[in-house]
Amino acid sequence: QSVLSQPPSASGTPGQRVTISCSGSSSNIGINSATWYQQLPGTAPKLLLYSNDQRPSGVPDRFSGSKSGPSASLAISGLQSEDEADYYCAAWDDSLSGWVFGGGTKLTVL
Amino acid sequence: QVQLQESGPGLVKPSETLSLTCTVSGGSISSYYWSWIRQPPGKGLEWIGYIYQSGTTNYSPSLKSRVSMSVDTSKNQFSLRLTSLTAADTAVYYCARQEQELVRFRYFYFLDVWGKGTTVTVSS
Repeated sequence: QSVLSQPPSASGTPGQRVTISCSGSSSNIGINSATWYQQLPGTAPKLLLYSNDQRPSGVPDRFSGSKSGPSASLAISGLQSEDEADYYCAAWDDSLSGWVFGGGTKLTVL
Repeated sequence: QVQLQESGPGLVKPSETLSLTCTVSGGSISSYYWSWIRQPPGKGLEWIGYIYQSGTTNYSPSLKSRVSMSVDTSKNQFSLRLTSLTAADTAVYYCARQEQELVRFRYFYFLDVWGKGTTVTVSS
């Protein structure tokens, strides 16, 4: 049972916009920022968004993030086949003084 | 460009102790917090704990009784030790760097650089 809650799956067709939600609590996302990772099969997680909505260099602007209270969202616009991956949200938890993760969302591009 | 590389045995017997090392290249181990995260086959990510250059540590409550971490700044390495292994500890183990950003007088943290991961199987 993950501390952060994500839908296990999401899907969309090429060109569509999809969103993935991440629900936390007052000790993690509610007071800290959300981070998003993309994990392609057989590879390590790759930083996609940090500080709720900041993209590292090299991440396309098709990826965007937002936060409201204890929840965060990842939006992918102009969906492409290469976006098919697992997506994880994460946050620093003040109660734990450590990291908590969502269970991951498997994105399928139909 | 900072890179992380995990190393250690791929196969460990039940009840034995796992020792993994993460080597930091392209940058200094100093002034950062370093975490270990694992991912069981087909499952999500689980944070194991972190260590600072000074040796300060904090571990996940679920693993605290079996985990210890150490750092060797002269070698730019940090290590994980996990005792009393069972099949449930079979996973890909990642090391990662914790970065921070000051936003409106508060630090936001994120794990920005990850190693490629090392697969550990616990089996007799």
